[in-house]
Amino acid sequence: GDSVTQMEGPVTLSEEAFLTINCTYTATGYPSLFWYVQYPGEGLQLLLKATKADDKGSNKGFEATYRKETTSFHLEKGSVQVSDSAVYFCALTAPSSGGSNYKLTFGKGTLLTVNP
Amino acid sequence: DGGITQSPKYLFRKEGQNVTLSCEQNLNHDAMYWYRQDPGQGLRLIYYSQIVNDFQKGDIAEGYSVSREKKESFPLTVTSAQKNPTAFYLCASSPVADNQPQHFGDGTRLSIL
Repeated sequence: GDSVTQMEGPVTLSEEAFLTINCTYTATGYPSLFWYVQYPGEGLQLLLKATKADDKGSNKGFEATYRKETTSFHLEKGSVQVSDSAVYFCALTAPSSGGSNYKLTFGKGTLLTVNP
Repeated sequence: DGGITQSPKYLFRKEGQNVTLSCEQNLNHDAMYWYRQDPGQGLRLIYYSQIVNDFQKGDIAEGYSVSREKKESFPLTVTSAQKNPTAFYLCASSPVADNQPQHFGDGTRLSIL
C-alpha cells in the first residue's frame, strides 16, 4: 500500500537557520504530494503541494520539489522564524485505477521548535 | 468565509457512553473525512464519505459510526465499544477530484472522565 516516511523529530533550530525536513514515499500510480502544518491545538493547514514530477510547491518561504526518481518531497526553508514552530506533515494522495479513492496518506509528523 | 466547523472543541465522556462529534462544512465539497490523531502516530483515517448517504470504513473504524444525511454535515459517534477513545479528532473535506488537498477543521479533543 501507499506510505509516507518523514524524518523523526523533534527538530530544534535557532532563528534564521536553514531547515530541511526529509520526506520519502511509496505509492502506486502518480501521487500528488502535500505538506501540511499544524500549530498547537489547531487543525492542519495546507502549506504547499505538487502534483507531478519536478513540480516545486512554495508558500511563506517554504519550498519542496517533487522528485520522482528518488520518490522524495523534502521541505526546505532558508531562514526559519520563531513563528514557524509547529508540527509538519508530509502526505500523498494516489487515486486508484478507478479514480474513486482520494484518501490522504500521512507521515507521522515532525515537530519543529525554533528558538530566538 | 468558507470553512469547516467542528464542535465542541473539548468533550468529556464517561465510561459506557456514546458521544457525537459535529462537523459542518460550507465549502460545497462532496467528500468528507474523519481522522484520529494520537501523539507520535500521525493521523489515522476512521471513516470517509464521497457522496450523501454513502460512506466507507477507513483504517480504524471499529468502535465508531458516522452518517451523511446532508452534504454539509458528517457527524462522528464514538461508541462505548471504542475502548481507548482519548484522542484529538479531525474532520476534513475535499472535492472528489484528482490532486485536490483536504481542508481541515480545528479539531475536537475527547477525554475520558
